[in-house]
Amino acid sequence: DTGVSQDPRHKITKRGQNVTFRCDPISEHNRLYWYRQTLGQGPEFLTYFQNEAQLEKSRLLSDRFSAERPKGSFSTLEIQRTEQGDSAMYLCASSLYGVGTYEQYFGPGTRLTVT
Amino acid sequence: RKEVEQDPGPFNVPEGATVAFNCTYSNSASQSFFWYRQDCRKEPKLLMSVYSSGNEDGRFTAQLNRASQYISLLIRDSKLSDSATYLCVVNPTSGGSYIPTFGRGTSLIVHP
Repeated sequence: DTGVSQDPRHKITKRGQNVTFRCDPISEHNRLYWYRQTLGQGPEFLTYFQNEAQLEKSRLLSDRFSAERPKGSFSTLEIQRTEQGDSAMYLCASSLYGVGTYEQYFGPGTRLTVT
Repeated sequence: RKEVEQDPGPFNVPEGATVAFNCTYSNSASQSFFWYRQDCRKEPKLLMSVYSSGNEDGRFTAQLNRASQYISLLIRDSKLSDSATYLCVVNPTSGGSYIPTFGRGTSLIVHP
């Protein structure tokens, strides 16, 4: 399978704990996006990378959230001191920027539950 | 006004019906547009890109109206398997920000 993969698929954690999610994009894609989605809403942009450079972050993104893409391949999203309001589906998507179409392809997501 | 707006529905239609959804956007710098389909508790899957000239893929037709700042999706001869949430996404590709913005989605239920 050469699509976008995410790990873990589900995570249950207690409030105050740190969690880290991983995303492996489609191998030739240079852009990688993180989104958060809650029930009844569309995906909400968090941040994106072009290769290893983090180009934009949502102004709404708390300082507790950090993302990396150290070698321009896989990416990690860390949430520190989780809160119940962080419970959501965290989606990763990748795209090939520069070819002109900007189509994004999503991974299956990591569903986070904070108790 | 939200950047991207969609009627959440649900649109409840019988098999074989034609149904259309609109998605309005506020950023006139937006340059690329897409429709995604999302099944319950699954990831969004790309349905089609929306080109200035419009495009058609089988029973699905997407249109762009830049003057009125909306995109549309038309589904003909609806199937039970078309039941899903349809998300539009708008990408500015100039003006310094390249943040894709999704609508909240329109729910479609096709019944026998």
